[in-house]
Amino acid sequence: QVQLVESGGGVVQPGRSLRLSCEASGFTFIRHAFHWVRQAPGKGLEWVAVISDDGNSKYYADSVKGRFTISRDNSKNTLYLQMNTLRTEDTAVYYCARAFTLFGVPSDYWGQGTLVTVSS
Amino acid sequence: EIVLTQSPGTLSVSPGEKATLSCRASQSLPTNYIAWYQQKPGQPPRLLMYGASTRATGIPDRFSGSGSGTDFTLTISRLEPEDFAVYHCHQYGSSPTFGQGTKLEIK
Repeated sequence: QVQLVESGGGVVQPGRSLRLSCEASGFTFIRHAFHWVRQAPGKGLEWVAVISDDGNSKYYADSVKGRFTISRDNSKNTLYLQMNTLRTEDTAVYYCARAFTLFGVPSDYWGQGTLVTVSS
Repeated sequence: EIVLTQSPGTLSVSPGEKATLSCRASQSLPTNYIAWYQQKPGQPPRLLMYGASTRATGIPDRFSGSGSGTDFTLTISRLEPEDFAVYHCHQYGSSPTFGQGTKLEIK
């Protein structure tokens, strides 16, 4: 069955960095694009970034552009989100979600999420 | 950026009744790239509907979607106890956005 398992969350001070991972199984990883979507405590969903199946195309929300980097290792079936210069407003549960293309198709499977808390 | 505004923020409905949730886009979506997700506490979103009106795999037919342009609706007929959750609308065009969510609670 399709599984997406995020890891790497935790408590970090403002200005520091963190790298999230999302390990995929149960489907052909290289056939899918992937998104990161976050949800601040008690708030709605916010799209963060997307990467194409081959990793060559990447797009970001303005709120994270220049600070976050999405990447993937197709040999390890793993998606990453490198988060630098973290701010308190980045505190959220971060979900990885798969899609068949970059845009124009909604994500059908989501991981359980990993909590990132940015606090001094 | 396309802003999605969901209404109401909270909807109180009795089991067995019908619920109607609204999602309004700040600009027209000619491709109808609107999806609806259901989210329960501590769980990730679950895809219910895409293309405004197509049910995702395994979604019961009491869920239906409609709309075009800027106004979209999710209707749940004959509410079951497991339907009480938060519902998010989502436009999945070239700069994806989500609505702020509608909480469907038991009346």
